Amino acid sequence: GENVEQHPSTLSVQEGDSAVIKCTYSDSASNYFPWYKQELGKRPQLIIDIRSNVGEKKDQRIAVTLNKTAKHFSLHITETQPEDSAVYFCAPHGGGADGLTFGKGTHLIIQP
Amino acid sequence: SAVISQKPSRDICQRGTSLTIQCQVDSQVTMMFWYRQQPGQSLTLIATANQGSEATYESGFVIDKFPISRPNLTFSTLTVSNMSPEDSSIYLCSVDLGREGIQYFGAGTRLSVL
Repeated sequence: GENVEQHPSTLSVQEGDSAVIKCTYSDSASNYFPWYKQELGKRPQLIIDIRSNVGEKKDQRIAVTLNKTAKHFSLHITETQPEDSAVYFCAPHGGGADGLTFGKGTHLIIQP
Repeated sequence: SAVISQKPSRDICQRGTSLTIQCQVDSQVTMMFWYRQQPGQSLTLIATANQGSEATYESGFVIDKFPISRPNLTFSTLTVSNMSPEDSSIYLCSVDLGREGIQYFGAGTRLSVL
């Protein structure tokens, strides 16, 4: 099965600065790379994803980059705001109708 | 997206008892999934519930402990049987809308076992 590692486990940044979270996976057959955000007491929600035919995708202040050769993908958040404080999970996937294997999560703390 | 209703939202139970969690979706879906999220931890897949067939369980999870029903394309239940304090977790259902891996989650059931 997929072996997923996510770093760092905790990330504290000043409001307005950028944050980067990295996810490393083992299964070379993975071709779908989502990031989920879970605010305290809430359900996980998909915030951005990328498929293996592209290297980067942006949506306003968030972006995901993919390096399939090295088997890692990263979440980038620019101009961080207090509402970005949450736990972020990666879940690399084969793209079919299978359950997800989540990384251990990164607790992002935005310091005022 | 999908509207996913999960009940109950929370419960406090005595050890040795069982709790059944319900998951209702507002559209027909082939695949539904059940996850466990222990306090401060990530999500772990318990099983995949495919309508018309037996659920498929992940390593470490067994049907006797977590029986699952999937009577139709919009509904599933997960039962946590013979509970112990170690079963205290958040249990979440999710659905795949056939869009190649994108999953949507219910709000979760926060279970505390005394």
